[in-house]
Amino acid sequence: DVKVTQSSRYLVKRTGEKVFLECVQDMDHENMFWYRQDPGLGLRLIYFSYDVKMKEKGDIPEGYSVSREKKERFSLILESASTNQTSMYLCASSTYGGMNTEAFFGQGTRLTVV
Amino acid sequence: AQSVSQHNHHVILSEAASLELGCNYSYGGTVNLFWYVQYPGQHLQLLLKYFSGDPLVKGIKGFEAEFIKSKFSFNLRKPSVQWSDTAEYFCAVIRSGGSYIPTFGRGTSLIVHP
Repeated sequence: DVKVTQSSRYLVKRTGEKVFLECVQDMDHENMFWYRQDPGLGLRLIYFSYDVKMKEKGDIPEGYSVSREKKERFSLILESASTNQTSMYLCASSTYGGMNTEAFFGQGTRLTVV
Repeated sequence: AQSVSQHNHHVILSEAASLELGCNYSYGGTVNLFWYVQYPGQHLQLLLKYFSGDPLVKGIKGFEAEFIKSKFSFNLRKPSVQWSDTAEYFCAVIRSGGSYIPTFGRGTSLIVHP
């Protein structure tokens, strides 16, 4: 079974803190993604990576950065957390197999910024 | 820009009722289509997908979806819902010529009363 593991289920951080969300997958997938899930807005893509050290901006990259130093690990960084970044963050991975590949998701990290 | 529209944001049904959730996309080229489900407290998982062949696709737990190219639609159906189908349902699209990243709709929250 593919496993995508996010390091924390729940996080509470203060405004202005630097926040790291970690994601690890165990299926040697090339693609990794970070989405943000908000009620009524669905899943919005923050960043994705298709290879080590490669990254591309998604639809809402402002206020975020990412790091992919190893194939299995993809980190999302909030440089200076703000209350409008309170949300559910989902990490996903998929193989580089073209259009018909499904994405596998982690359990999500619910981040609250106070 | 490509978009995915899910018209039903909240659906409430009684057990044994029939279900149809709408999904439309705006891209005119070749697409692959997916439905994902998120049960309460669980990670998103694939329900079914279409990439070629028979436009009527069957998935897990008795769900099916029909791809109608002329209508740019991929509606999800189930003839008789169960209480355990209570979940959030997301339609997703991957288009040809892109970076194979799924674009998600806003989701439909389904509540099934026993």
